[in-house]
Amino acid sequence: NAGVTQTPKFRILKIGQSMTLQCAQDMNHNYMYWYRQDPGMGLKLIYYSVGAGITDKGEVPNGYNVSRSTTEDFPLRLELAAPSQTSVYFCASSRTGGRTEAFFGQGTRLTVV
Amino acid sequence: EDQVTQSPEALRLQEGESSSLNCSYTVSGLRGLFWYRQDPGKGPEFLFTLYSAGEEKEKERLKATLTKKESFLHITAPKPEDSATYLCAVGGGNYGGATNKLIFGTGTLLAVQP
Repeated sequence: NAGVTQTPKFRILKIGQSMTLQCAQDMNHNYMYWYRQDPGMGLKLIYYSVGAGITDKGEVPNGYNVSRSTTEDFPLRLELAAPSQTSVYFCASSRTGGRTEAFFGQGTRLTVV
Repeated sequence: EDQVTQSPEALRLQEGESSSLNCSYTVSGLRGLFWYRQDPGKGPEFLFTLYSAGEEKEKERLKATLTKKESFLHITAPKPEDSATYLCAVGGGNYGGATNKLIFGTGTLLAVQP
């Protein structure tokens, strides 16, 4: 059982470039989340989704976009990368929102130079 | 404002020296409190869920407890392999009309020395 799979694991972007972080889950979870983790800052919610076709902003959505066309996939798009987006990005999924545990992927370490 | 605060930020223990980590929270409409373990370079790994004050959960050397304002993660006779960052999160809050948010604390970095 793969759980939550994120790709790529590492990426270096130049300022102004764009990229998509991929996230897929095979647990048939309705809820999916994107977090970023900066040293000493904990996990900050970027976007979340409660089901296919439904997404909403989290605490730090600026500079990011998401889509959810299927239950399994929840890609995160970075447009016009900035150094402030250097971080570790985690995708997670859960069966229900806020009441059941979330399962996390292994993360994508992104550096913007 | 919904908030989760963990203390201490870092804790160094000798092997076998028991201690507790604290997670204080304020959230409108708590749906669940979660403890995770995170190893360097890895994603958080789920440990426990607590739903109501007075509830306790145990797993090996770890025991989590919950009150109306805080949770404790008690570590009994820790071993070096317990070294990790321990994250607390609460589910709930009122965001966009839906109580779907998971709010994380900044974590406690635990180091257990042999």
